[in-house]
Amino acid sequence: NAGVMQNPRHLVRRRGQEARLRCSPMKGHSHVYWYRQLPEEGLKFMVYLQKENIIDESGMPKERFSAEFPKEGPSILRIQQVVRGDSAAYFCASSPLGQGDNEQFFGPGTRLTVL
Amino acid sequence: GQQLNQSPQSMFIQEGEDVSMNCTSSSIFNTWLWYKQDPGEGPVLLIALYKAGELTSNGRLTAQFGITRKDSFLNISASIPSDVGIYFCAGQVGKIIFGKGTRLHILP
Repeated sequence: NAGVMQNPRHLVRRRGQEARLRCSPMKGHSHVYWYRQLPEEGLKFMVYLQKENIIDESGMPKERFSAEFPKEGPSILRIQQVVRGDSAAYFCASSPLGQGDNEQFFGPGTRLTVL
Repeated sequence: GQQLNQSPQSMFIQEGEDVSMNCTSSSIFNTWLWYKQDPGEGPVLLIALYKAGELTSNGRLTAQFGITRKDSFLNISASIPSDVGIYFCAGQVGKIIFGKGTRLHILP
């Protein structure tokens, strides 16, 4: 059973470009969470999605950031018009059940560098 | 918002030593978690605690969920080189709230 997959593992963008980060949850998991980690920091919650629904986006910046988890295919975290401050590691986690204290399994992350 | 204070920020120890780190919060959590993150990887769950006062072991690791539900500690006994990494405490309320991590270094 493959774990949570994220791609690309590394992404370099110039200021003003768009970044698309993909996350494929573990097989059988229908709940996806995105977290951001700045250097020397812990992970910070961004958004929680179920298939075709955003459940909690309280940690997501209001502008330039969006997330989706379509019926088919991976979850996508999209950052438009990237700025240097967006450089970070972005982690996706999935769980078999929804919010509540269910274990979330983390992917290896996408490291975004904005030049 | 909910914040976790994790200490120490870094530890430099000799192989074979025991390690202790802890986490406090101003908020109550129903679940406390301890993760380890290796360089270039995502966090991996080490121990989950679900009840106040619970003491749980996983090999050389032992963690406790404080009675007040606002704190937790993690102990590692007889450290080995592969213990090097960043250890995060976290509280879970659906989403996970992470501490800033304790960076464990083992001196040669």
